[in-house]
Amino acid sequence: QVQLVESGGGVVQPGRSLRLSCAASGFTFSSHAMHWVRQAPGKGLEWVALISYDGSNAYYADSVRGRFTISRDNSKNTFYLQMNSLTTEDTSVYYCARDRDRRSSIHVFDYWGQGILVTVSS
Amino acid sequence: DFVMTQSPDSLAVSLGERATINCKSSQSVLYRPNNKNYLAWYQQKPGQPPKLLIYWASTRESGVPDRFSGSGSGTDFTLTISSLQAEDVAVYHCQQYYTSPLTFGGGTKVEIK
Repeated sequence: QVQLVESGGGVVQPGRSLRLSCAASGFTFSSHAMHWVRQAPGKGLEWVALISYDGSNAYYADSVRGRFTISRDNSKNTFYLQMNSLTTEDTSVYYCARDRDRRSSIHVFDYWGQGILVTVSS
Repeated sequence: DFVMTQSPDSLAVSLGERATINCKSSQSVLYRPNNKNYLAWYQQKPGQPPKLLIYWASTRESGVPDRFSGSGSGTDFTLTISSLQAEDVAVYHCQQYYTSPLTFGGGTKVEIK
């Protein structure tokens, strides 16, 4: 069965960095684009970043471009979100999610992790 | 960016009655070459991640009960729950995948009246 498990969250001071990981299992990881989506407390969903199935392309929301970097290691079935220059506005539950279709540019999310909380506070 | 606006913000429906949620896109998500609407719906129960219900505006994901249906084209879309069940209490989100940045509506909370 498909599983996505996030790790690396926690409390961090403004201006500092944090790296999230998402470990995938139960499917051919190297065939699917992967995403990070976040949800601030009591708010809606915000797409954060996408990495293509082979890692050759990455796309970002304007709110994180230049501060966050998405990457993947297909040999480890894991992808990452490096978050730098964090602000209080980045406080959210961060979900990793899978593209439904293999090697596709159709970005519908069929599996999600349980989410991990990142709190940016002094 | 494509702005997705959902209405209402919340609604309370009696068990067995119909629930209707609307989603409006600031620009058309209909791709003319394949005549497909790049619009998905998700259900999010408290304390859980979202679950994919519908994509291509009207195609149900495998395992989703047929009381959930999606309709609409271009800029205006609807998610309908034909006969509300207790387990349908959740927040429902629409999402466009026509272009980057991918964007979601603000969510609609469905409760039992």
